[in-house]
Amino acid sequence: SAVISQKPSRDICQRGTSLTIQCQVDSQVTMMFWYRQQPGQSLTLIATANQGSEATYESGFVIDKFPISRPNLTFSTLTVSNMSPEDSSIYLCSVGTSGRYYEQYFGPGTRLTVT
Amino acid sequence: AQSVAQPEDQVNVAEGNPLTVKCTYSVSGNPYLFWYVQYPNRGLQFLLKYITGDNLVKGSYGFEAEFNKSQTSFHLKKPSALVSDSALYFCAVRDINTGKLIFGQGTTLQVKP
Repeated sequence: SAVISQKPSRDICQRGTSLTIQCQVDSQVTMMFWYRQQPGQSLTLIATANQGSEATYESGFVIDKFPISRPNLTFSTLTVSNMSPEDSSIYLCSVGTSGRYYEQYFGPGTRLTVT
Repeated sequence: AQSVAQPEDQVNVAEGNPLTVKCTYSVSGNPYLFWYVQYPNRGLQFLLKYITGDNLVKGSYGFEAEFNKSQTSFHLKKPSALVSDSALYFCAVRDINTGKLIFGQGTTLQVKP
């Protein structure tokens, strides 16, 4: 398994500002994912960020709102831009192990509250 | 389309009793199924997976899951529940076409002393 850390663990931000969330992995991984978990809800995939290629966004998520960087095999950032209260969620970083039947491991999440 | 369903929002059991958290799936082709647990203010932790082979899969923390192809189910079980098992449990299936994990809505497990 991989050990994943996220910074910050939580934040309270004002409407209209941006927050960048960092994800650090203790080993090199190709596949990295960003999820959103709205209060009381399940997980929704925002984008897949594989090293060496542009991030692929899911329907309903756009790069201007959620820009992602993936500079190397152990690190990624997700920025939540021009925030509104609807962006209040837990944001989770996830990595995939290698192989066809890969497993996914998740970071502890970043709890964001937008006021 | 691939999907999973967790029919119970909440499951309540007494400590020491067996527990079952239900999951049913709908896939085309062979299912790749997973269970995750989320403790309060924590990320998701991988419990176990089913790819192929034995229908009874053993995982972390004494949990196991039974794959039933005829009933398209993958129920999570534990012979003796602990209060510390109280958490939110997610069933997930990997979409074989996209490789993405599709999560159920989650089931809150409450284990009372």
